Amino acid sequence: GNSVTQMEGPVTLSEEAFLTINCTYTATGYPSLFWYVQYPGEGLQLLLKATKADDKGSNKGFEATYRKETTSFHLEKGSVQVSDSAVYFCALSLNTNAGKSTFGDGTTLTVKP
Amino acid sequence: SAVISQKPSRDICQRGTSLTIQCQVDSQVTMMFWYRQQPGQSLTLIATANQGSEATYESGFVIDKFPISRPNLTFSTLTVSNMSPEDSSIYLCSVGGAKNIQYFGAGTRLSVL
Repeated sequence: GNSVTQMEGPVTLSEEAFLTINCTYTATGYPSLFWYVQYPGEGLQLLLKATKADDKGSNKGFEATYRKETTSFHLEKGSVQVSDSAVYFCALSLNTNAGKSTFGDGTTLTVKP
Repeated sequence: SAVISQKPSRDICQRGTSLTIQCQVDSQVTMMFWYRQQPGQSLTLIATANQGSEATYESGFVIDKFPISRPNLTFSTLTVSNMSPEDSSIYLCSVGGAKNIQYFGAGTRLSVL
């Protein structure tokens, strides 16, 4: 079956620190990979995505590279801000899934000033 | 993209009562998804709702407890029936978009006393 494993949280960083949240996956097929972010009191929203091997998704200073050989899609940001405090979900989707994604457990990030 | 309006945004309910959550999308979509997100945990898919057919429920969720309506391509409701404190959670509506991206409502925060 399909599954996503995320680095356990919570993660607490100081402002301007470097962020990495690890994500690995297993899939029966060739998935698209996503990072979603959930700010307090809100639903999930797409942060970035990649659809094929070696693609790099990027948005708002966050990056993740689709690594087929290691089945990974780690999220990175060079300098986090307090406003980045949120829950981050790694996800995969296959064209056979009728639009559904498989989500990781989420990683809570708190950035302190 | 899709804009999803979900209501109520939060509610406090008494044990044994039922609550109906509404989800309105700004465009016509085939699939709508209902998730439960318990505090500090990931998303659990409750069911997939297709217009004009019975919803498809995931293991552990039954229609008597979580009846779903899907009267047209832009609207769905989820009812949480005969509630108990264990039903306290965030309920999220989602739709699938192009390139397998999912769009989410802001969620309904339910507390059952």
